[in-house]
Amino acid sequence: KAGVTQTPRYLIKTRGQQVTLSCSPISGHRSVSWYQQTPGQGLQFLFEYFSETQRNKGNFPGRFSGRQFSNSRSEMNVSTLELGDSALYLCASRGGREGTEAFFGQGTRLTVV
Amino acid sequence: QKEVEQNSGPLSVPEGAIASLNCTYSDRVSQSFFWYRQYSGKSPELIMSIYSNGDKEDGRFTAQLNKASQYVSLLIRDSQPSDSATYLCAVNTGGFKTIFGAGTRLFVKA
Repeated sequence: KAGVTQTPRYLIKTRGQQVTLSCSPISGHRSVSWYQQTPGQGLQFLFEYFSETQRNKGNFPGRFSGRQFSNSRSEMNVSTLELGDSALYLCASRGGREGTEAFFGQGTRLTVV
Repeated sequence: QKEVEQNSGPLSVPEGAIASLNCTYSDRVSQSFFWYRQYSGKSPELIMSIYSNGDKEDGRFTAQLNKASQYVSLLIRDSQPSDSATYLCAVNTGGFKTIFGAGTRLFVKA
Protein backbone atom coordinates (compact mmCIF):
# COMPACT_ATOMS: atom_id res chain seq x y z
CA LYS A 1 0.00 0.00 0.00
CA ALA A 2 1.51 3.30 -1.08
CA GLY A 3 2.16 5.91 1.58
CA VAL A 4 1.49 9.61 1.56
CA THR A 5 3.04 11.26 -1.48
CA GLN A 6 4.02 14.91 -1.55
CA THR A 7 5.24 16.77 -4.60
CA PRO A 8 7.51 18.43 -5.28
CA ARG A 9 10.13 17.46 -2.71
CA TYR A 10 12.07 20.69 -3.06
CA LEU A 11 11.17 24.15 -4.28
CA ILE A 12 12.99 27.45 -4.53
CA LYS A 13 10.84 30.52 -5.05
CA THR A 14 11.35 34.26 -5.02
CA ARG A 15 9.63 36.64 -2.62
CA GLY A 16 6.28 37.73 -3.92
CA GLN A 17 5.68 34.61 -5.98
CA GLN A 18 3.07 32.02 -5.21
CA VAL A 19 3.47 28.27 -4.82
CA THR A 20 1.24 25.20 -4.91
CA LEU A 21 2.12 22.01 -3.08
CA SER A 22 0.42 18.69 -3.63
CA CYS A 23 -0.39 15.79 -1.33
CA SER A 24 -1.84 12.40 -2.25
CA PRO A 25 -3.03 10.54 0.85
CA ILE A 26 -2.90 6.83 1.53
CA SER A 27 -5.44 5.03 -0.62
CA GLY A 28 -8.78 5.04 1.16
CA HIS A 29 -7.91 7.87 3.52
CA ARG A 30 -10.28 10.81 3.35
CA SER A 31 -8.61 13.29 5.66
CA VAL A 32 -5.56 15.38 4.86
CA SER A 33 -3.91 17.84 7.22
CA TRP A 34 -1.09 20.26 6.53
CA TYR A 35 1.70 21.43 8.80
CA GLN A 36 4.55 23.88 8.57
CA GLN A 37 7.77 22.90 10.30
CA THR A 38 10.56 25.36 11.07
CA PRO A 39 13.47 25.04 13.49
CA GLY A 40 12.17 27.86 15.63
CA GLN A 41 8.45 27.09 15.71
CA GLY A 42 8.28 23.33 15.39
CA LEU A 43 5.26 21.73 13.72
CA GLN A 44 2.50 24.27 13.26
CA PHE A 45 -0.99 23.22 12.21
CA LEU A 46 -2.19 24.87 9.01
CA PHE A 47 -5.51 23.19 8.22
CA GLU A 48 -7.27 19.87 7.85
CA TYR A 49 -9.61 18.70 5.13
CA PHE A 50 -12.12 15.89 5.23
CA SER A 51 -14.41 14.98 2.35
CA GLU A 52 -13.41 18.06 0.36
CA THR A 53 -14.27 20.46 3.19
CA GLN A 54 -11.89 22.40 5.38
CA ARG A 55 -12.80 21.26 8.89
CA ASN A 56 -10.32 23.31 10.93
CA LYS A 57 -7.54 25.80 10.44
CA GLY A 58 -4.60 27.12 12.42
CA ASN A 59 -3.41 30.67 12.99
CA PHE A 60 -1.89 31.44 9.65
CA PRO A 61 -2.60 34.45 7.41
CA GLY A 62 -5.00 34.22 4.52
CA ARG A 63 -2.06 33.86 2.11
CA PHE A 64 -2.13 30.19 3.07
CA SER A 65 -5.01 28.31 1.52
CA GLY A 66 -5.84 24.81 0.50
CA ARG A 67 -8.36 22.55 -1.07
CA GLN A 68 -9.21 18.90 -1.35
CA PHE A 69 -10.48 17.09 -4.39
CA SER A 70 -13.03 14.30 -4.68
CA ASN A 71 -10.23 11.71 -4.84
CA SER A 72 -8.95 13.07 -1.47
CA ARG A 73 -5.82 14.57 -3.00
CA SER A 74 -5.09 17.96 -1.51
CA GLU A 75 -3.25 21.05 -2.56
CA MET A 76 -1.89 23.88 -0.48
CA ASN A 77 -1.25 27.31 -1.93
CA VAL A 78 0.85 30.12 -0.54
CA SER A 79 0.55 33.48 -2.24
CA THR A 80 2.85 36.50 -2.02
CA LEU A 81 5.68 34.48 -0.57
CA GLU A 82 7.79 35.94 2.21
CA LEU A 83 11.23 34.89 3.39
CA GLY A 84 9.67 33.59 6.60
CA ASP A 85 7.63 31.08 4.62
CA SER A 86 10.78 29.03 4.08
CA ALA A 87 10.02 25.76 5.83
CA LEU A 88 9.29 22.08 5.50
CA TYR A 89 5.64 21.60 4.62
CA LEU A 90 4.23 18.29 5.70
CA CYS A 91 0.94 16.69 4.97
CA ALA A 92 -0.57 13.82 6.88
CA SER A 93 -3.40 11.51 5.95
CA ARG A 94 -5.90 9.94 8.28
CA GLY A 95 -8.12 6.98 7.62
CA GLY A 96 -10.84 7.60 10.15
CA ARG A 97 -12.58 10.68 11.38
CA GLU A 98 -10.96 13.27 13.58
CA GLY A 99 -8.71 12.09 16.35
CA THR A 100 -7.40 8.94 14.75
CA GLU A 101 -3.85 8.16 13.67
CA ALA A 102 -2.23 10.28 10.99
CA PHE A 103 0.65 9.34 8.73
CA PHE A 104 3.04 11.86 7.22
CA GLY A 105 4.45 12.26 3.76
CA GLN A 106 8.10 13.09 3.15
CA GLY A 107 7.39 16.79 2.97
CA THR A 108 8.14 19.61 0.58
CA ARG A 109 11.12 21.77 1.44
CA LEU A 110 10.30 25.33 0.35
CA THR A 111 13.01 27.94 0.21
CA VAL A 112 12.07 31.56 -0.45
CA VAL A 113 14.88 33.81 -1.64
CA GLN B 1 0.38 28.75 27.79
CA LYS B 2 1.30 26.43 24.95
CA GLU B 3 -1.30 23.82 24.12
CA VAL B 4 1.19 20.95 24.16
CA GLU B 5 4.42 21.24 26.13
CA GLN B 6 7.51 19.09 26.06
CA ASN B 7 10.98 19.50 27.51
CA SER B 8 13.19 20.29 24.52
CA GLY B 9 16.12 18.33 25.93
CA PRO B 10 18.46 17.01 24.88
CA LEU B 11 17.79 13.99 27.02
CA SER B 12 20.87 11.82 27.14
CA VAL B 13 20.71 8.20 28.30
CA PRO B 14 23.21 5.33 28.07
CA GLU B 15 22.53 2.40 25.80
CA GLY B 16 20.29 -0.15 27.49
CA ALA B 17 18.71 2.35 29.87
CA ILE B 18 15.09 3.48 30.02
CA ALA B 19 14.36 6.81 28.36
CA SER B 20 11.39 8.70 29.78
CA LEU B 21 9.76 11.42 27.69
CA ASN B 22 7.01 13.63 29.08
CA CYS B 23 4.29 15.82 27.66
CA THR B 24 1.56 17.98 29.17
CA TYR B 25 -1.43 19.46 27.40
CA SER B 26 -3.80 22.26 28.25
CA ASP B 27 -7.16 21.28 26.73
CA ARG B 28 -9.06 18.99 29.10
CA VAL B 29 -11.39 17.72 26.39
CA SER B 30 -8.53 16.18 24.40
CA GLN B 31 -9.24 12.56 23.58
CA SER B 32 -6.45 11.25 21.37
CA PHE B 33 -2.73 11.27 22.02
CA PHE B 34 0.17 10.28 19.82
CA TRP B 35 3.92 9.96 19.89
CA TYR B 36 5.96 10.48 16.75
CA ARG B 37 9.64 9.96 16.16
CA GLN B 38 11.48 12.25 13.78
CA TYR B 39 15.00 11.65 12.59
CA SER B 40 16.99 14.62 11.36
CA GLY B 41 15.96 15.53 7.84
CA LYS B 42 13.04 13.07 7.83
CA SER B 43 9.32 13.38 8.37
CA PRO B 44 7.61 12.33 11.63
CA GLU B 45 6.84 8.64 12.01
CA LEU B 46 3.98 7.47 14.22
CA ILE B 47 5.18 5.11 16.94
CA MET B 48 2.36 5.06 19.51
CA SER B 49 -1.22 6.15 19.94
CA ILE B 50 -3.21 6.10 23.18
CA TYR B 51 -6.83 6.98 23.78
CA SER B 52 -7.66 5.94 27.35
CA ASN B 53 -6.08 6.33 30.77
CA GLY B 54 -3.37 3.89 31.71
CA ASP B 55 -0.50 2.21 29.93
CA LYS B 56 -0.19 0.89 26.43
CA GLU B 57 2.78 -1.24 25.49
CA ASP B 58 4.20 -2.00 22.05
CA GLY B 59 7.55 -3.74 22.02
CA ARG B 60 10.10 -1.57 23.78
CA PHE B 61 7.71 1.39 23.88
CA THR B 62 5.12 2.15 26.57
CA ALA B 63 2.80 5.12 26.41
CA GLN B 64 1.16 6.31 29.62
CA LEU B 65 -1.85 8.61 29.80
CA ASN B 66 -3.30 10.42 32.80
CA LYS B 67 -6.17 12.63 31.70
CA ALA B 68 -6.81 13.98 35.19
CA SER B 69 -3.28 15.36 35.30
CA GLN B 70 -3.30 16.18 31.58
CA TYR B 71 -0.11 14.26 31.17
CA VAL B 72 1.14 11.74 28.66
CA SER B 73 4.51 10.04 28.61
CA LEU B 74 6.57 7.65 26.53
CA LEU B 75 8.99 5.13 27.97
CA ILE B 76 11.60 3.50 25.79
CA ARG B 77 13.12 0.42 27.36
CA ASP B 78 16.54 -0.96 26.44
CA SER B 79 17.36 2.26 24.57
CA GLN B 80 19.50 1.86 21.47
CA PRO B 81 21.64 4.42 19.62
CA SER B 82 19.15 4.08 16.75
CA ASP B 83 16.50 5.56 19.06
CA SER B 84 18.37 8.87 18.98
CA ALA B 85 15.86 11.25 17.41
CA THR B 86 13.37 13.97 18.26
CA TYR B 87 10.17 12.67 19.83
CA LEU B 88 7.02 14.66 19.19
CA CYS B 89 3.94 14.50 21.37
CA ALA B 90 0.69 15.21 19.53
CA VAL B 91 -2.77 15.81 20.95
CA ASN B 92 -6.09 15.90 19.15
CA THR B 93 -7.93 18.77 20.78
CA GLY B 94 -11.30 17.88 19.37
CA GLY B 95 -12.58 18.11 15.86
CA PHE B 96 -10.15 18.08 13.01
CA LYS B 97 -7.12 19.58 14.76
CA THR B 98 -4.06 17.82 16.11
CA ILE B 99 -1.48 19.96 17.86
CA PHE B 100 2.16 19.01 18.25
CA GLY B 101 4.62 19.82 20.97
CA ALA B 102 8.01 21.24 20.07
CA GLY B 103 9.63 17.85 20.61
CA THR B 104 12.24 16.35 22.89
CA ARG B 105 15.64 15.47 21.47
CA LEU B 106 16.83 12.09 22.73
CA PHE B 107 20.46 11.01 22.53
CA VAL B 108 21.36 7.43 23.36
CA LYS B 109 25.05 6.99 24.09
CA ALA B 110 26.68 3.74 22.95
